[in-house]
Amino acid sequence: DAGITQSPRHKVTETGTPVTLRCHQTENHRYMYWYRQDPGHGLRLIHYSYGVKDTDKGEVSDGYSVSRSKTEDFLLTLESATSSQTSVYFCAISESGWGEAFFGQGTRLTVV
Amino acid sequence: TQLLEQSPQFLSIQEGENLTVYCNSSSVFSSLQWYRQEPGEGPVLLVTVVTGGEVKKLKRLTFQFGDARKDSSLHITAAQPGDTGLYLCAGAPGSNYKLTFGKGTLLTVNP
Repeated sequence: DAGITQSPRHKVTETGTPVTLRCHQTENHRYMYWYRQDPGHGLRLIHYSYGVKDTDKGEVSDGYSVSRSKTEDFLLTLESATSSQTSVYFCAISESGWGEAFFGQGTRLTVV
Repeated sequence: TQLLEQSPQFLSIQEGENLTVYCNSSSVFSSLQWYRQEPGEGPVLLVTVVTGGEVKKLKRLTFQFGDARKDSSLHITAAQPGDTGLYLCAGAPGSNYKLTFGKGTLLTVNP
């Protein structure tokens, strides 16, 4: 299995608070992705990174920011959490960027 | 508009039946991937198809990439309860690295 770890695995937070989710990889893959998965919407890309300090927006980036200061870590921050951001968040890594991604176990985030 | 359209969205069949799920787009992809996801887990890569017209077999699963590289299909022969799961197609269109997923087909195989 690819070495990819998400933390925390579960989190409950209050509306308006900032939240940071961490994705850590040991595979030295160049590309890293953050997705959210919601019923009826499938996996939607939030942000992705194609190298250290190189990031770009996905289709649902509003209210989220990311940082990648090291190859192995990709952080997703909810600047001011809202109930609409309650979701399961997945991190993925890829060597090529064209697909063939390996996923973490997911983080279940509940905003109350 | 969804970049990758999957159909059907839900499929419930009996053990031993055959089935096909589809992944369609108006965009050209250099490659498409199929993933399978079980409840509470992240998606797991099954296969990558790269060449237009390519057919790949993985035991009872057959994957095909359309000639124009805009669509793909997954055929399962003699489905088993262990095949139950969410099947997702994915790809990065054009020259960007925005790996995009379809909404998936939720397959249930009943004993």
